[in-house]
Amino acid sequence: EAGVTQSPRYAVLQEGQAVSFWCDPISGHDTLYWYQQPRDQGPQLLVYFRDEAVIDNSQLPSDRFSAVRPKGTNSTLKIQSAKQGDTATYLCASSLGTGANSDYTFGSGTRLLVI
Amino acid sequence: SQWGEENLQALSIQEGEDVTMNCSYKTYTTVVQWYRQKSGKGPAQLILIRSNEREKRSGRLRATLDTSSQSSSLSITGTLATDTAVYFCATPPQGGRALIFGTGTTVSVSP
Repeated sequence: EAGVTQSPRYAVLQEGQAVSFWCDPISGHDTLYWYQQPRDQGPQLLVYFRDEAVIDNSQLPSDRFSAVRPKGTNSTLKIQSAKQGDTATYLCASSLGTGANSDYTFGSGTRLLVI
Repeated sequence: SQWGEENLQALSIQEGEDVTMNCSYKTYTTVVQWYRQKSGKGPAQLILIRSNEREKRSGRLRATLDTSSQSSSLSITGTLATDTAVYFCATPPQGGRALIFGTGTTVSVSP
């Protein structure tokens, strides 16, 4: 079974540039999550979807970040105008169902450096 | 924050030793998940323990959950160099459904 696939693996931007991250979850997983992981910290939830619907985007900086999952499968996270504080690893995870008992499978992440 | 401040940040041990790491949480939960993250990889689930399970084992791993003290622990017996990683506990916040992760414990196992 293929795991969660993310691309690109690395991105280096200057402040003000835009970037998109792509995630292909495990086939059949209806729930998809985007987490931000600053260096030496735990993953912090940005947004998550059940199928194509956004369930919780309260932690997503809405002025610059956006996320979509149009067909309930792949997802894209976009940063419109990157800031140095956005430097982090962006992790995508998927699960079958939501809730505390769901098993999350994470991708390897995209490492973003904003200079 | 969902998590307390007692999480030990870093441990350095020799292969073969046992190690225990702890998490405390502030709000009621019915389940705690433990994850391991190796360098350059995403977190991988190790153990899921529910409130009706005071202890759960998986190979060399043992997790405990004490709802009265709102704490959980993960023990690894007979550590190997390949156990070197950051270990996270995670649980959904009250009223929420997506996992919230703790700050993590870095475990370095020397051969």
